[in-house]
Amino acid sequence: EPEVTQTPSHQVTQMGQEVILRCVPISNHLYFYWYRQILGQKVEFLVSFYNNEISEKSEIFDDQFSVERPDGSNFTLKIRSTKLEDSAMYFCASSAGFDTGELFFGEGSRLTVL
Amino acid sequence: AQSVTQPDIHITVSEGASLELRCNYSYGATPYLFWYVQSPGQGLQLLLKYFSGDTLVQGIKGFEAEFKRSQSSFNLRKPSVHWSDAAEYFCAVGKFSGNTPLVFGKGTRLSVIA
Repeated sequence: EPEVTQTPSHQVTQMGQEVILRCVPISNHLYFYWYRQILGQKVEFLVSFYNNEISEKSEIFDDQFSVERPDGSNFTLKIRSTKLEDSAMYFCASSAGFDTGELFFGEGSRLTVL
Repeated sequence: AQSVTQPDIHITVSEGASLELRCNYSYGATPYLFWYVQSPGQGLQLLLKYFSGDTLVQGIKGFEAEFKRSQSSFNLRKPSVHWSDAAEYFCAVGKFSGNTPLVFGKGTRLSVIA
């Protein structure tokens, strides 16, 4: 069964360092998302991506964050200068399109900022 | 703005007992509703979804949910809980568009005891 895969599963970094989280969405999907879940809190939307551009982003997704799909398969989230409050589980998701509405999630990448 | 409320943070049930997890939503239009499950160390897996039609929807693993427009609710039920059902359950609301983000509730953690 096709699945969304994410790497790394866990990353520890120092405050101020750049982090790149990688995702391989399901191959025929067209819409891509990043969500995050701070420990003990709800799953929050960060950004959606379609047709090689951001289609929607939340207020969390500030200038420190960026996304790209560099090679047609990977979908990356970059945090330019990490802060302590960026520590969270980051989930990538993909969707086939508007006729299903279903998002398929990866297992997440846990980011710990020290 | 849309929102989702899961009033129960943690529920404990005995194996074989019935289960109901509550979800209330606030949405300006006809909502599309989802229940996801997150097992420890895993990503989010879709249990079931409601788009239209029959208000009682069946999902995987023996779960069902009922959409009640008058109560703005989409409660998840299972007649007989198994120990493997112990997990975090998230209700989410969205609209029928591939690039629209889902809004999640804070989740309900289910513990199952013998």
